[in-house]
Amino acid sequence: QQQVKQSPQSLIVQKGGISIINCAYENTAFDYFPWYQQFPGKGPALLIAIRPDVSEKKEGRFTISFNKSAKQFSLHIMDSQPGDSATYFCAATPPGSGNTGKLIFGQGTTLQVKP
Amino acid sequence: NAGVTQTPKFQVLKTGQSMTLQCAQDMNHNSMYWYRQDPGMGLRLIYYSASEGTTDKGEVPNGYNVSRLNKREFSLRLESAAPSQTSVYFCASSESSGGTDTQYFGPGTRLTVL
Repeated sequence: QQQVKQSPQSLIVQKGGISIINCAYENTAFDYFPWYQQFPGKGPALLIAIRPDVSEKKEGRFTISFNKSAKQFSLHIMDSQPGDSATYFCAATPPGSGNTGKLIFGQGTTLQVKP
Repeated sequence: NAGVTQTPKFQVLKTGQSMTLQCAQDMNHNSMYWYRQDPGMGLRLIYYSASEGTTDKGEVPNGYNVSRLNKREFSLRLESAAPSQTSVYFCASSESSGGTDTQYFGPGTRLTVL
């Protein structure tokens, strides 16, 4: 299967709280998992990415947790701020994409951080 | 350094009309991509060009054609627009076609087909 399933579809968090977005995939051959952030009216931009040989990657307030056996990965946003309000997409590189750059995207999560 | 630019920003078409979406990048990237974004569907790849002179189908190519005009420019053409092609279209580029290369997106074209 070449799908990436993302949840929840929308999320409301209070300022200072933790935002958690989950993604699941079926094909164990996926080998690169980026997260993209999109502000209204803009194109997506790379936020953070992880390879399956590590279980966690942290960049500032953003952390990816990766569970290879469960075929799941998640984005945690610590100390969420109103400026984090955006749509977040998980993605995965399907097998055989080494020379194509293809990405399979999740359905997206719209995050609203309330002041 | 403008990155990835797209024209037009907005377009309204009638069913059956044709149009070309333009995309250009100034980052000297080899690979370019066209996606469409629909509510609840995420981003879906329409066509991509791994390098100048090559193009290939993505996940949803039906109803579209592309041209890699040169290294900088990659256009998407709708020959006979249908309401199902109402969407936001994004062009992206990456340095190479390696699976881990960051893709840089343009600001998008919002297309409505009546």
